[in-house]
Amino acid sequence: RKEVEQDPGPFNVPEGATVAFNCTYSNSASQSFFWYRQDCRKEPKLLMSVYSSGNEDGRFTAQLNRASQYISLLIRDSKLSDSATYLCVVRETNAGKSTFGDGTTLTVKP
Amino acid sequence: NAGVTQTPKFRVLKTGQSMTLLCAQDMNHEYMYWYRQDPGMGLRLIHYSVGEGTTAKGEVPDGYNVSRLKKQNFLLGLESAAPSQTSVYFCASRRDNLAVNEQFFGPGTRLTVL
Repeated sequence: RKEVEQDPGPFNVPEGATVAFNCTYSNSASQSFFWYRQDCRKEPKLLMSVYSSGNEDGRFTAQLNRASQYISLLIRDSKLSDSATYLCVVRETNAGKSTFGDGTTLTVKP
Repeated sequence: NAGVTQTPKFRVLKTGQSMTLLCAQDMNHEYMYWYRQDPGMGLRLIHYSVGEGTTAKGEVPDGYNVSRLKKQNFLLGLESAAPSQTSVYFCASRRDNLAVNEQFFGPGTRLTVL
């Protein structure tokens, strides 16, 4: 079993739709969680960190469920520009390394 | 600030050739990383460094060596390239060991081994 598993993609949605991605992790020592966005053939860039109480940044909402060991990303009112691959990342407390999921690909269509 | 830069951007090698990929960061970050990304997959950690003069193995270290002689540079070496090493290589850096700190990535090096 992989340490970090994401919803298999791809997700194809129309503009304006709401879409949710889930990510599960197996290491209970994981303490920090992130969502990165990766555009085709480009480097990953931080979309948002995920806090215990959940957090929102505009149309994006991230949630953490420690008991079930999963995090989620909700995108409301999808835009064409949201088309990308979304990577889930988990990290142990003050650990040198992070573990990446394989990513979920989103395509938003007109 | 240039952030994280990688040299070269593209390279084609023949099996058995050697090469070095250079990563440089100008943010005075302590931690640096080398990842590879194969089609349809996430990033897999090759080697990383928690400070100048230190290196550690990641998930897929075989066939690669690294050095961190200067804080701002992290070199990835392939001594004898194999077709299985065809991939996109990303370098990243992080300020320190606080778990909440994000990683910043370079633009990637696309390597093909024939």
